[in-house]
Amino acid sequence: KAGVTQTPRYLIKTRGQQVTLSCSPISGHRSVSWYQQTPGQGLQFLFEYFSETQRNKGNFPGRFSGRQFSNSRSEMNVSTLELGDSALYLCASSSGGTNNYGYTFGSGTRLTVV
Amino acid sequence: QKEVEQDPGPLSVPEGAIVSLNCTYSNSAFQYFMWYRQYSRKGPELLMYTYSSGNKEDGRFTAQVDKSSKYISLFIRDSQPSDSATYLCAMSESGANSKLTFGKGITLSVRP
Repeated sequence: KAGVTQTPRYLIKTRGQQVTLSCSPISGHRSVSWYQQTPGQGLQFLFEYFSETQRNKGNFPGRFSGRQFSNSRSEMNVSTLELGDSALYLCASSSGGTNNYGYTFGSGTRLTVV
Repeated sequence: QKEVEQDPGPLSVPEGAIVSLNCTYSNSAFQYFMWYRQYSRKGPELLMYTYSSGNKEDGRFTAQVDKSSKYISLFIRDSQPSDSATYLCAMSESGANSKLTFGKGITLSVRP
């Protein structure tokens, strides 16, 4: 069974640019969540999508947005990049119901803003 | 004060040692408690999950939750070099797969 696939693995962008990250969840999983991981703040919740609807949102500025497609694949977008957006962005999928299995995380996209 | 505090480490132990990892939290609404393990260049993987207070054992790993003290622990018995990784505690109000609040993680190194 294929895991959670995130593309690209690495990205280098310039301040002020925008970026789109992609996540393909495990087949059959309808929920996709995004997290930002930095050395200073650790893992922080960005948002969750379930059946193409945003179900939950963390405390990030509006420059961070996401969407989910009918096949459950998800993208997140960061506009007007700042140096502080440099981080590992992790996508996690789950079946979406209340369960004991938690998330399955992808290996992440490492974004560097210069 | 952050919602979840975790000992910063790093932690280095000899092979075979018992390892104790701890987190404290301030949000009394947390009901779901997890430990994730993250190897270098990988995403976190779920190691242990506990609902509400109590103990849970899985092989060499034991998770404990004390909601009255707002304190959770992970014990690793007979630690192995393959246990060398970053360990993150995580908590949620509404489910193991719903808006987790993580500790910052502690890096464990098990020396052969």
